[in-house]
Amino acid sequence: DADVTQTPRNRITKTGKRIMLECSQTKGHDRMYWYRQDPGLGLRLIYYSFDVKDINKGEISDGYSVSRQAQAKFSLSLESAIPNQTALYFCATSDTGIGETQYFGPGTRLLVL
Amino acid sequence: EDQVTQSPEALRLQEGESSSLNCSYTVSGLRGLFWYRQDPGKGPEFLFTLYSAGEEKEKERLKATLTKKESFLHITAPKPEDSATYLCAGGFYNQGGKLIFGQGTELSVKP
Repeated sequence: DADVTQTPRNRITKTGKRIMLECSQTKGHDRMYWYRQDPGLGLRLIYYSFDVKDINKGEISDGYSVSRQAQAKFSLSLESAIPNQTALYFCATSDTGIGETQYFGPGTRLLVL
Repeated sequence: EDQVTQSPEALRLQEGESSSLNCSYTVSGLRGLFWYRQDPGKGPEFLFTLYSAGEEKEKERLKATLTKKESFLHITAPKPEDSATYLCAGGFYNQGGKLIFGQGTELSVKP
C-alpha cells in the first residue's frame, strides 16, 4: 500500500461549491504539507502542519483552509471554489527537522467549472 | 529572497546521449538539496538528498553532485524511460522545515 494517499484522485466541481481534499499517511511523520501545481508555476505551498496542534499558512493560502484531524490525516478545503483553483494538488509528509525529505502523494486533479 | 533555479527548462536528448541538469540556489544556510522525478499527472518521486559540498549519490543512470552554490543531475546514456520532469528543492535553515522548489527541467529522451 502507498505511504501517502489522497482522495479523491480526480474531482470536477462548479464555481461556488465547497469541496474537501483528503490526505492520509502511514509513514508516522509529524509534518504534513499541501501544495498546488500549475503548468509553468511549479509547486507552491498552500498550508503546512508541523504537528497536530500546529497549522501554518504557505505562500498561497487565500481561498483555502485546512484541518489536521490526527497525526496521519490532513485535509484541504476550498470554501467556495473558483475556476483559477483548477490545478493538481499534492499532499506531502516529512519527518521532524530542517532539511528533511518530503514524500508526496499521488495527487488530486481538480477542475472547477 | 531565497531562490532555487533550474536550467534548462526543457532538454531533448537522443537515447544514449549523456547530459546534465543544473540546480542553483542563491542562499546561504543550505541544510539539504533534494532531487525528485515527476511523471505527468503523478506525484514527485524522491531520488536523492545531498547535504555537503562534494557529496555525490548515484542511482542507475543518474548521479547527483553538490557544490557550494549548485547541484547537477548527470544522466549517463539515458533511455526513453528516463523521460520525466526533474525537480530540485532546497531545505534552508531559515525556512524551518519547508522546501523551496525550482521550476523543474522537462527531459525528453527519444529512441
